[in-house]
Amino acid sequence: EDQVTQSPEALRLQEGESSSLNCSYTVSGLRGLFWYRQDPGKGPEFLFTLYSAGEEKEKERLKATLTKKESFLHITAPKPEDSATYLCAVCGGSNYKLTFGKGTLLTVNP
Amino acid sequence: KAGVTQTPRYLIKTRGQQVTLSCSPISGHRSVSWYQQTPGQGLQFLFEYFSETQRNKGNFPGRFSGRQFSNSRSEMNVSTLELGDSALYLCASSLVGQGKGEAFFGQGTRLTVV
Repeated sequence: EDQVTQSPEALRLQEGESSSLNCSYTVSGLRGLFWYRQDPGKGPEFLFTLYSAGEEKEKERLKATLTKKESFLHITAPKPEDSATYLCAVCGGSNYKLTFGKGTLLTVNP
Repeated sequence: KAGVTQTPRYLIKTRGQQVTLSCSPISGHRSVSWYQQTPGQGLQFLFEYFSETQRNKGNFPGRFSGRQFSNSRSEMNVSTLELGDSALYLCASSLVGQGKGEAFFGQGTRLTVV
């Protein structure tokens, strides 16, 4: 069974203080690893898809990287508007089922 | 371009009743996936429909069912509601299917079972 563990559960940063979120996974035949952002009361918003170890993608202050066992979401010089829950999900096997982690709640203080 | 629309946004039901939730995907998207989100379990996959056929199913009891219409709109039904069914129910639409690319989520239906 596919498993996704995200750490830390919660992270509080000062504006401008860079950090990383971790997503460790166990999957049979990785098809893709997805990062989403979810604001309170809203559905998740797609950020990135990574398909193979060594791949990196960037968007504004966010950069996602992938190894064979984990993915990192690096946040450079965060702003208060980056505060949200960040979700990681993996898709594996032949049935393309998505398994989500429980998320990291990021709070960026001004 | 209109996003994914879920109705209703909020529902309060009594234990034992049944409920139907609706999801209208982005125009042109043929895949609709449903998820249950709770504080304890996070986001859990319920099922996926693609061109009116159920393509994938999560580990939920048979009380949870769904269907998709020819215009790609999807409905999810939960029968004999239990207190533990209280959750945020999300649907996601995509062009080619779950796990194969970008998926767009609706704002969800908040179901409370009393």
